[in-house]
Amino acid sequence: GQQLNQSPQSMFIQEGEDVSMNCTSSSIFNTWLWYKQDPGEGPVLLIALYKAGELTSNGRLTAQFGITRKDSFLNISASIPSDVGIYFCAGQLSFGNEKLTFGTGTRLTIIP
Amino acid sequence: SAVISQKPSRDICQRGTSLTIQCQVDSQVTMMFWYRQQPGQSLTLIATANQGSEATYESGFVIDKFPISRPNLTFSTLTVSNMSPEDSSIYLCSVESTSIQYFGAGTRLSVL
Repeated sequence: GQQLNQSPQSMFIQEGEDVSMNCTSSSIFNTWLWYKQDPGEGPVLLIALYKAGELTSNGRLTAQFGITRKDSFLNISASIPSDVGIYFCAGQLSFGNEKLTFGTGTRLTIIP
Repeated sequence: SAVISQKPSRDICQRGTSLTIQCQVDSQVTMMFWYRQQPGQSLTLIATANQGSEATYESGFVIDKFPISRPNLTFSTLTVSNMSPEDSSIYLCSVESTSIQYFGAGTRLSVL
């Protein structure tokens, strides 16, 4: 099935650094979502974006819905050890009651 | 939000056997989804399960291999039939609640 292209595939950073990752698609999505998956767990929703151009924050996380509706990015400021995990973007064609198309994932590792 | 319980959390199975995975949610939901996450990969939708109707399968997934039941608004099962080592994956249940998709912790399946 279709997948969204997410970059970078992996990141190795030091605690306190800022992180930026993005997600692109050849198709338009009307909702963009960012999830985080910890080892042994299912994905947990971080941020949901519903409108092209929208910029939304959740604590140290900021995400934007690209104006073309074909991309989105996620920034994490001042990273801390609990930020370690795999981050997935997901696109949805319509708001609610629709399947999600997931990105390829970005694995974040914090170097001590 | 929705709290999702999946059983079993993990299993090791023999080639040629079948495993049924249960998904229980703490509130009534219209739509339930089953995803597969192969080792080190992203999530791929297997099927959408609505109560009172047959599940809708995505391209590459068939009912004979992944039969799904949805007897009520809080419960669903996914069976992985006639398993082979290629079926070794994490299988995740997801539900839609207030237009957000929530995930269970997943079932980690290893097929020998």
